[in-house]
Amino acid sequence: DTEVTQTPKHLVMGMTNKKSLKCEQHMGHRAMYWYKQKAKKPPELMFVYSYEKLSINESVPSRFSPECPNSSLLNLHLHALQPEDSALYLCASSPLVVSYNEQFFGPGTRLTVL
Amino acid sequence: EDQVTQSPEALRLQEGESSSLNCSYTVSGLRGLFWYRQDPGKGPEFLFTLYSAGEEKEKERLKATLTKKESFLHITAPKPEDSATYLCAVTGSGYSTLTFGKGTMLLVSP
Repeated sequence: DTEVTQTPKHLVMGMTNKKSLKCEQHMGHRAMYWYKQKAKKPPELMFVYSYEKLSINESVPSRFSPECPNSSLLNLHLHALQPEDSALYLCASSPLVVSYNEQFFGPGTRLTVL
Repeated sequence: EDQVTQSPEALRLQEGESSSLNCSYTVSGLRGLFWYRQDPGKGPEFLFTLYSAGEEKEKERLKATLTKKESFLHITAPKPEDSATYLCAVTGSGYSTLTFGKGTMLLVSP
């Protein structure tokens, strides 16, 4: 099973709302990632977790707060977002955070900030 | 700085018309070159990993090849369901994050 699941599929939120995106994988992978993708652009890395610990934060604004409760789950908490944060948010996982491991992506959450 | 350039940006083919997509890269110590397929509004789907020059991998109508400077994704007798954006990404020595190209949007008409 090479499946990464994400919920919700779509999310509309106001700039004062607090919401969370969820990601789950049951492949036994110990590396999990959050990406942001704008239309007609490639995915941009936001965060990397290795063995449930944050290992890379690509200078993401603090209104995005990641959390890795256990080896199968990854959350992205959202607060006080701006309209320009509207995008497709992708979760991915790989066996380890090593350069030769392929990453498997989830279907994404389409986020619209009003 | 690592760079990945994909060409063409967009490609329109007739069903059955074979062609190739190009991915040129500049990276310090290539560790892996990855091909993904992405349908509109969905997450990228992993296709292939290539590790060293001369390596080739195949899956159905797709064949990926690698040289020291570029990779090709050959599409043989494409079908309309092959229409998608194809993304190329690399990893280099010393780090493990993917550097993506901007993708090639492929449209196959019946």
